[in-house]
Order: sequence, then structure tokens, then C-alpha cells
Amino acid sequence: GAVVSQHPSRVICKSGTSVKIECRSLDFQATTMFWYRQFPKQSLMLMATSNEGSKATYEQGVEKDKFLINHASLTLSTLTVTSAHPEDSSFYICSAVHSGGADEQFFGPGTRLTVL
Amino acid sequence: AQSVAQPEDQVNVAEGNPLTVKCTYSVSGNPYLFWYVQYPNRGLQFLLKYITGDNLVKGSYGFEAEFNKSQTSFHLKKPSALVSDSALYFCAVRDTHNQGGKLIFGQGTELSVKP
Repeated sequence: GAVVSQHPSRVICKSGTSVKIECRSLDFQATTMFWYRQFPKQSLMLMATSNEGSKATYEQGVEKDKFLINHASLTLSTLTVTSAHPEDSSFYICSAVHSGGADEQFFGPGTRLTVL
Repeated sequence: AQSVAQPEDQVNVAEGNPLTVKCTYSVSGNPYLFWYVQYPNRGLQFLLKYITGDNLVKGSYGFEAEFNKSQTSFHLKKPSALVSDSALYFCAVRDTHNQGGKLIFGQGTELSVKP
């Protein structure tokens, strides 16, 4: 149990386009999901906290208009990178908190974004 | 502010030898501590956590960690390393001051186990 999926696993796009990444909790409901960004061999940097039915809470320095987050249901949160540029290339990882459990975070497999 | 530090960027161990990956923390109040492992181009996998109770916590894949309050440490250990243990390891503390319990991660330690 407690599986989190991300789609796509890998995406390559042209500069200026927008990319949507989905995070799904497959077998549990998640009131809260987190979005992280990770550069090669570095730690995870929390970008935002996604709360079902309300606006996401962004960390300091993260542009909310650049990284749009929608948490429309208890099993799905989406991150849209708008007008992507090469510096947005990174590994994006989501995690979901089991609503009825011991609030442990379960991580998705990550999405590799490459902006040309 | 709550924080966690992993003082070693890389740890090298011979297969069959014991391994230790170090982690120290700084929190106000009782710490909620976690260890995760990450294989290349993959998400994080949960290894173990300390919330309360016994200081020695046993987790997945034969790993264990010892909570030491006086030294504010939570080192990850395994009695006999495997080549397949080679990966990136992250220590994390849960930010108990914020709703939703976001995790604060250490910088990661790359473990390399050689045959």
C-alpha cells in the first residue's frame, strides 16, 4: 500500500512552453501533498505544500505564478511549470501524506524535466 | 529553526563491513526523525523513523538507526554492507511547528559499497 505515482517520468520540452506534472496517491487519500525540486546529487528543496481544496503554500523564493499547483482531489495534485526555461530543468519529486494514517510522507518516483 | 546536517558527502565501505551514515539534528521540542534512500533517477524510499520509544530503531533492508538525545544524533547503521546498498541517503526531521508536517532534509550522503 501507500503508492504514489508521477506522470510523466521524463519530459523534454522547448523553452517557453508549459509542462504539467501529475502526482497521484494510488491507494490512499492525501489531504496534503508536497512538491520538491532536486538538482543532481543535491538535497531536496521544498517548493510548495499542496492542500486539497485550497491554495498551495509556497516556500520563500518560489514563484507561484511560475509553478502553478492544483490539488483538485484527495488523490491528485498537479504542478505546471509555465513558460519553462533551461534553468527550470531539474528532477521534480512529489510526496503525499496519508490522511488517515500517521502522517508519514510517501514519495513519488520523480519527473525529470529537461528544457531545451 | 529546525535543521539536520549530514557531515559526510560520501562514505566508502567494503562489502561485508559495517557501515555508518551520520546525521545530527537541531530541533526545539521532541524530534521526529527519518531516513530515506534514493537510487539514481528515482524517488525517495522510506527506511525508518524515530518518533518515540526505543532509541534503536530497526528499518527496511537490514538498516537501523540510533537516536542519541545527548549528542543530538541519529546515525544510520548496517552491520554488513551490500554492493546494492550503494545509493544516496537522506536524513530528515519533521518540522513540527508547521501544519502538514513538512520535512527538512539534510544535504545527503552518497554511500559507495565496493565488492
